[in-house]
Amino acid sequence: ETGVTQSPTHLIKTRGQQVTLRCSSQSGHNTVSWYQQALGQGPQFIFQYYREEENGRGNFPPRFSGLQFPNYSSELNVNALELDDSALYLCASSLESVGGGETQYFGPGTRLLVL
Amino acid sequence: AQRVTQPEKLLSVFKGAPVELKCNYSYSGSPELFWYVQYSRQRLQLLLRHISRESIKGFTADLNKGETSFHLKKPFAQEEDSAMYYCALRRNGNNDMRFGAGTRLTVKP
Repeated sequence: ETGVTQSPTHLIKTRGQQVTLRCSSQSGHNTVSWYQQALGQGPQFIFQYYREEENGRGNFPPRFSGLQFPNYSSELNVNALELDDSALYLCASSLESVGGGETQYFGPGTRLLVL
Repeated sequence: AQRVTQPEKLLSVFKGAPVELKCNYSYSGSPELFWYVQYSRQRLQLLLRHISRESIKGFTADLNKGETSFHLKKPFAQEEDSAMYYCALRRNGNNDMRFGAGTRLTVKP
């Protein structure tokens, strides 16, 4: 069984640029959730994708967008980067049914620094 | 809106001592509560969830709806318990998981 993987591990961008972060879900999982974790804080929910559709969104602006592919891997795209976007970005996969509520398995994260 | 509060950023105990990591939440409905743990250089992982009512690595947590708390307890702390602990809440049937800011537990020999 393959765990959740994320790429890249580290990334440096400048303000105004765009970034794409990638996540491969655990084998057999159909749902991916993305979180932003600022330094000294807990993870903050960005959005979730279930079977290629957005299935819930936290309090993040539209410049945070995502995709889920038929193999259930996922991308997080952030446009017009701001300094406050510097954080650890975590993805978590799970095997969800319609009612939801299953255990999420986290990846190691991508650390983004915006200069 | 739901909120999770972990009042202690740092907690230090001696090996063999009891440990309690506090978690309080605000939510008017029926929440689902979790404890996640992150050991040094490892990824975030689920420790336990209240609906399972089980003990994992000697840890237990009871949901107290009257006090809106979900404190994590262990009667005898071990050095390998040293880690970052996060309490999290998910609204029943919802996908929005809310995490507390975390408590760093250090168990001294």
